[in-house]
Amino acid sequence: GENVEQHPSTLSVQEGDSAVIKCTYSDSASNYFPWYKQELGKGPQLIIDIRSNVGEKKDQRIAVTLNKTAKHFSLHITETQPEDSAVYFCAAPDSSYKLIFGSGTRLLVRP
Amino acid sequence: SQTIHQWPATLVQPVGSPLSLECTVEGTSNPNLYWYRQAAGRGLQLLFYSVGIGQISSEVPQNLSASRPQDRQFILSSKKLLLSDSGFYLCAWSGPGTVEGGGYTFGSGTRLTVV
Repeated sequence: GENVEQHPSTLSVQEGDSAVIKCTYSDSASNYFPWYKQELGKGPQLIIDIRSNVGEKKDQRIAVTLNKTAKHFSLHITETQPEDSAVYFCAAPDSSYKLIFGSGTRLLVRP
Repeated sequence: SQTIHQWPATLVQPVGSPLSLECTVEGTSNPNLYWYRQAAGRGLQLLFYSVGIGQISSEVPQNLSASRPQDRQFILSSKKLLLSDSGFYLCAWSGPGTVEGGGYTFGSGTRLTVV
């Protein structure tokens, strides 16, 4: 079955710097890779996703890159702001289309 | 537009008491529904998922059960709560079939504390 590993578990950056979170997956048939942001006490919210027919997708300050050969995908946040502080989860679908989530990355943006 | 409602937001229950958490979805038909649990500072553990009325799949053996009495209603229950049942419970839905239609939409969660 699908296995998703996420690194790092915690990340602290200075406001204005960039943050990168990386995930690897095991099932080469996976073709959809979402990223979720979870603020304290709230449910995760989808912030960006990428399908296997593209290598990169950008939405303002956030971007996701996908390397299908190496089976890894990354979330890039540029010009970080304090409101970017949250827990971020990557995910990939298993063979029955259930999302398998990474273990999460706690991002702290220091003002 | 589709919305997901989950209640209550917080709950404090004594050990051995029953539990019922409810989740409803509006604006869609035949959704896939999911219950997740999140321990403090930890990841998302899938507990149950359902692809239709009365169809429940359990991911982990535990003290909890789930039911789907209506197309857009998903209920998480326990007959006798344990201390280890404490956590943040999240309901989510996705479109029928593949997950690629937009991923999951999560509810706002229920913080359960068993004392």
